[in-house]
Amino acid sequence: GIQVEQSPPDLILQEGANSTLRCNFSDSVNNLQWFHQNPWGQLINLFYIPSGTKQNGRLSATTVATERYSLLYISSSQTTDSGVYFCAVGSQGNLIFGKGTKLSVKP
Amino acid sequence: DSGVTQTPKHLITATGQRVTLRCSPRSGDLSVYWYQQSLDQGLQFLIQYYNGEERAKGNILERFSAQQFPDLHSELNLSSLELGDSALYFCASSVRALETQYFGPGTRLLVL
Repeated sequence: GIQVEQSPPDLILQEGANSTLRCNFSDSVNNLQWFHQNPWGQLINLFYIPSGTKQNGRLSATTVATERYSLLYISSSQTTDSGVYFCAVGSQGNLIFGKGTKLSVKP
Repeated sequence: DSGVTQTPKHLITATGQRVTLRCSPRSGDLSVYWYQQSLDQGLQFLIQYYNGEERAKGNILERFSAQQFPDLHSELNLSSLELGDSALYFCASSVRALETQYFGPGTRLLVL
């Protein structure tokens, strides 16, 4: 099956810093989504981005499908950005999740 | 609030028992997905339904079953529960398969 690798596994930032999270996947996909799991366990969809670039406020994402990777950019990080960021991929609706990047933003 | 509701929020039960988790998708969404999140396995896809029909199966145990009803709500049945079934169970929904999935708040199951 498709393998999904996320890096880095852990990231500690000072408030206001920028960061880039990476997701590599092992096979062609036509479904790629980024999620944020907050400290209360809620999973929030950030982007549906099987290819191309999207932006939403301080967050943006780029997927290069031909090279099998996706990047999530967080700019001017805030303490509320803390949590785990998951990349999930698939060829249909069923998503395969990476292990996530745990982000801690310090005030 | 994603618009996906799950009940109950928490469930504590004993080994060998059977439980039913319920999910109501967002209005208009025809696809429902079930996922399990545990410390050792991470987030795993269990099963997908589309407009009442099973569409895809993942790592779902034979002791588990699910269905989607005509009103599009879905239920996940877990039987002969074992300690290792303790996990957070999420339901998600989308309009179609290749679209944004919206997750419910989850049901936290503890098997003692």
